[in-house]
Amino acid sequence: DAKTTQPPSMDCAEGRAANLPCNHSTISGNEYVYWYRQIHSQGPQYIIHGLKNNETNEMASLIITEDRKSSTLILPHATLRDTAVYYCIVRVANDYKLSFGAGTTVTVRA
Amino acid sequence: AAGVIQSPRHLIKEKRETATLKCYPIPRHDTVYWYQQGPGQDPQFLISFYEKMQSDKGSIPDRFSAQQFSDYHSELNMSSLELGDSALYFCASSDMTGTTYEQYFGPGTRLTVT
Repeated sequence: DAKTTQPPSMDCAEGRAANLPCNHSTISGNEYVYWYRQIHSQGPQYIIHGLKNNETNEMASLIITEDRKSSTLILPHATLRDTAVYYCIVRVANDYKLSFGAGTTVTVRA
Repeated sequence: AAGVIQSPRHLIKEKRETATLKCYPIPRHDTVYWYQQGPGQDPQFLISFYEKMQSDKGSIPDRFSAQQFSDYHSELNMSSLELGDSALYFCASSDMTGTTYEQYFGPGTRLTVT
């Protein structure tokens, strides 16, 4: 059973913020939300993760709803190099493998 | 900064042959993961090693085996290759002494079975 649901694709204008939604309505209390992206057949790249608080790093921000059933990854100023498949992954605290589902193909347009 | 190294980057084999993929993790990383990504598919977890011991196993065929050596590099051995084994094989490493357990992926080995 898929633990996360993401839209299959979305477009974003260069220089604008990209908001990527993820639904994880069955998430448990000890499960983290991780975001990775894969740029055209390159190795997936870690972006950010969180448990229940909002998180921000140099790449993105992660907003997790209070009930933890959904989250949004925010790329503040999308560039053409951000065009990639973005994966939202729910990971149990003591289970370290990543279970990739169907991510969101984000296309940033000039 | 040093990254995960995988070799070879490309490999062409015929059916029923064997293949060995190598992975060199980031220095001081103690855990290695292997993933398989078929054409048009998402990466799927195969197997992982922590401190040279197998730590988890996914949907890895019995024809595949892997190990992690004393220098922490890992090798994925694939025998009796089938056309369906054609895929990108990614290795990732992580530092289990940290708190984030983020995985750093290598560039992948593209295996083509003809």
